[in-house]
Amino acid sequence: DTGVSQDPRHKITKRGQNVTFRCDPISEHNRLYWYRQTLGQGPEFLTYFQNEAQLEKSRLLSDRFSAERPKGSFSTLEIQRTEQGDSAMYLCASSFERNTEAFFGQGTRLTVV
Amino acid sequence: KQEVTQIPAALSVPEGENLVLNCSFTDSAIYNLQWFRQDPGKGLTSLLLIQSSQREQTSGRLNASLDKSSGRSTLYIAASQPGDSATYLCAVGGAGSYQLTFGKGTKLSVIP
Repeated sequence: DTGVSQDPRHKITKRGQNVTFRCDPISEHNRLYWYRQTLGQGPEFLTYFQNEAQLEKSRLLSDRFSAERPKGSFSTLEIQRTEQGDSAMYLCASSFERNTEAFFGQGTRLTVV
Repeated sequence: KQEVTQIPAALSVPEGENLVLNCSFTDSAIYNLQWFRQDPGKGLTSLLLIQSSQREQTSGRLNASLDKSSGRSTLYIAASQPGDSATYLCAVGGAGSYQLTFGKGTKLSVIP
């Protein structure tokens, strides 16, 4: 296994369009996290899945954002009606258990024009 | 609400020097603390994880310490190399949440 994989690596979209990102965690990891990072800041938590259940969501996750993890494997993060303020790096991470290392993917860089 | 602060924001050192990066957090009820490095435009690479019951962890030239009662952690890098140049991020796992709360990072430059 080569680690957490995210697709696409870069996405440029026009304001108002919908975008979807995919994350494939490390295969034996049942915990999956989404974070958002803007320039010069640390990552900010968006949401957490344990298997297919979404157990925690940040207030940052407005109603334009939705995340899924069908069958407890890969996850998707969709942003509807994108705004310029959505421009950021979207990072996915996975871990085996709560008290083990979280491993991050390379991220998806979103630019809304 | 947990807040994580990293000082300094940026650090420049000559190659070969030993250095210390600092991380402080406001809520001592933590589950664990993790140090990451991030290269420009890339994802995060895990360096060390310290459980709340541990005092330190070591990996190669890296040593991380944790003082939960005072809300502090340090990352010690021995014999720095130009390849160590990156942003180092500290992240705290809260006891009442699954999320990691990150600091803004320390940008390290090691000058050859």
